[in-house]
Amino acid sequence: GAGVSQSPSNKVTEKGKDVELRCDPISGHTALYWYRQSLGQGLEFLIYFQGNSAPDKSGLPSDRFSAERTGGSVSTLTIQRTQQEDSAVYLCASSSMGRTDTQYFGPGTRLTVL
Amino acid sequence: DQQVKQNSPSLSVQEGRISILNCDYTNSMFDYFLWYKKYPAEGPTFLISISSIKDKNEDGRFTVFLNKSAKHLSLHIVPSQPGDSAVYFCAASAGGVDSSYKLIFGSGTRLLVRP
Repeated sequence: GAGVSQSPSNKVTEKGKDVELRCDPISGHTALYWYRQSLGQGLEFLIYFQGNSAPDKSGLPSDRFSAERTGGSVSTLTIQRTQQEDSAVYLCASSSMGRTDTQYFGPGTRLTVL
Repeated sequence: DQQVKQNSPSLSVQEGRISILNCDYTNSMFDYFLWYKKYPAEGPTFLISISSIKDKNEDGRFTVFLNKSAKHLSLHIVPSQPGDSAVYFCAASAGGVDSSYKLIFGSGTRLLVRP
């Protein structure tokens, strides 16, 4: 079966513009995660969706960031009024269920804010 | 405040020799640890994990050692192969109902295995 897919693979935008990043998790996976990796840093947790439960948004760095997951499958991460410090690789992962279930990562979206 | 630290940004090893990647953590609530491998332009892929009730887990050429008293874990790759050249991330999570799914990642170590 297909793995986690993300689109676009690269996004260049101007400061102040809004961007949307998309994630298609592995079919049947109920848990979906967003992380970001800034240059030279590790992965930073952003948000977690599990089934129909309220998402854990505790990792979102500001209120310019939001995410939704429609129909328990596809997720969109939206960054409003982008800033240069938002430049990073945004990674999506999914897992079947449970904390020890392996998180499978997509290839990421490289966002560059000019 | 880095809870998971990988102090060596890079490591170079001769093919056939042992690679040892190190990771330190500060949060005593962490009870599950993982190593991920990442190639350029790809997402991280799971390599091996260990629960805090164990001190060693082995999978083929890969072995993870956990020293809870020192809050230290290491990944041993033996023998190292050129295809192992990648960035290796250490990650940890804490038990409990809340936030147990959150993985806290280190900054990664870039391994180069020389032919």
